[in-house]
Amino acid sequence: GAGVSQTPSNKVTEKGKYVELRCDPISGHTALYWYRQSLGQGPEFLIYFQGTGAADDSGLPNDRFFAVRPEGSVSTLKIQRTERGDSAVYLCASGPGQGSYGYTFGSGTRLTVV
Amino acid sequence: GEDVEQSLFLSVREGDSSVINCTYTDSSSTYLYWYKQEPGAGLQLLTYIFSNMDMKQDQRLTVLLNKKDKHLSLRIADTQTGDSAIYFCAENQGGRRALTFGSGTRLQVQP
Repeated sequence: GAGVSQTPSNKVTEKGKYVELRCDPISGHTALYWYRQSLGQGPEFLIYFQGTGAADDSGLPNDRFFAVRPEGSVSTLKIQRTERGDSAVYLCASGPGQGSYGYTFGSGTRLTVV
Repeated sequence: GEDVEQSLFLSVREGDSSVINCTYTDSSSTYLYWYKQEPGAGLQLLTYIFSNMDMKQDQRLTVLLNKKDKHLSLRIADTQTGDSAIYFCAENQGGRRALTFGSGTRLQVQP
């Protein structure tokens, strides 16, 4: 597609439930990133994929968070046993993978845990 | 990573120049970035500078980098109301792909 697409744009879930957030990167981009942005803060890195593999998952806050990218394109961020503190905008970005480190962000999924 | 620091708010009049400042932390960062975020929108990459450069100019945007003081600035010439947004600086600490962002500077442009 023309840009990075994230679905859903908004998600409200109850505390303790499981959620999946989807990211469709720009076609041909091998690098894919997940960030989390809390209100009034800058984005915070979660995980980076190069192709199908997680090249850097050092930002995942705990083992409730997991992400996959099985075919090297679409990625899913999975959050188990959601907590109110997980409420944030989850941003996905993709890039060509080599050369410049600049990449393109999607509009995000706003997750609210009630 | 350690904090990337920015001032919270800047207000300018339309037509004036805006200067947004940032202090970063890691001298091994290879690139430094400026992103723009408008309400309800994702982050838009405005410009970036390689760490061995002192200055980069791109139309109305000028980026200055002082490596000794780990200080980065973004100057917007002839600021317009459409420039009103939150501006984030970011660095790739240790040359990693992951970026560390500041908390953002809200730029308000008054007509």
